[in-house]
Amino acid sequence: EDQVTQSPEALRLQEGESSSLNCSYTVSGLRGLFWYRQDPGKGPEFLFTLYSAGEEKEKERLKATLTKKESFLHITAPKPEDSATYLCAVQGTGGFKTIFGAGTRLFVKA
Amino acid sequence: NAGVMQNPRHLVRRRGQEARLRCSPMKGHSHVYWYRQLPEEGLKFMVYLQKENIIDESGMPKERFSAEFPKEGPSILRIQQVVRGDSAAYFCASSPPTGNEQFFGPGTRLTVL
Repeated sequence: EDQVTQSPEALRLQEGESSSLNCSYTVSGLRGLFWYRQDPGKGPEFLFTLYSAGEEKEKERLKATLTKKESFLHITAPKPEDSATYLCAVQGTGGFKTIFGAGTRLFVKA
Repeated sequence: NAGVMQNPRHLVRRRGQEARLRCSPMKGHSHVYWYRQLPEEGLKFMVYLQKENIIDESGMPKERFSAEFPKEGPSILRIQQVVRGDSAAYFCASSPPTGNEQFFGPGTRLTVL
């Protein structure tokens, strides 16, 4: 069964303190791995799609990487406005069901 | 360039009533997903639709829940005879004909009294 596990559940950083969020996944054939940001009371905001091991994508202070078993979301020199829940999701080639992880709640203190 | 629209944003129903949630996809998008998010829980896939066609409903409860995406108009998620356990945020997302990215709406928060 397809599965996504994110760690840590919560992460507290000082402004400027770089770190990484982990997403471990199990899927029978990867159609795509997705990263989203979700602010309280709002819908998830699309960040990245990764399709194959070795792929990397960047956007501002965020960089996503992918291996055959996990993905990392690296946050470089975070700012308080980066505080949010970051969600990882996978879609397998067996269908269109998208499996989301429980998310990592990131708190960045000024 | 409007994003995904959902209405109503908040919906209150009494047990046994029907709830209808609407989703208008982004312009040019022909695919819609519906998800449910319970408090302090992750997003759970419910159903994936194209215009006039249900592609994958493997996450949809077998009873009381149905979804449609007609040729004209928004996608509708319908919950019959609501129970307190149906209280949750319901999100829809749309994706283009090519590409896997899903763009989410702001959600409908359903409260069942």
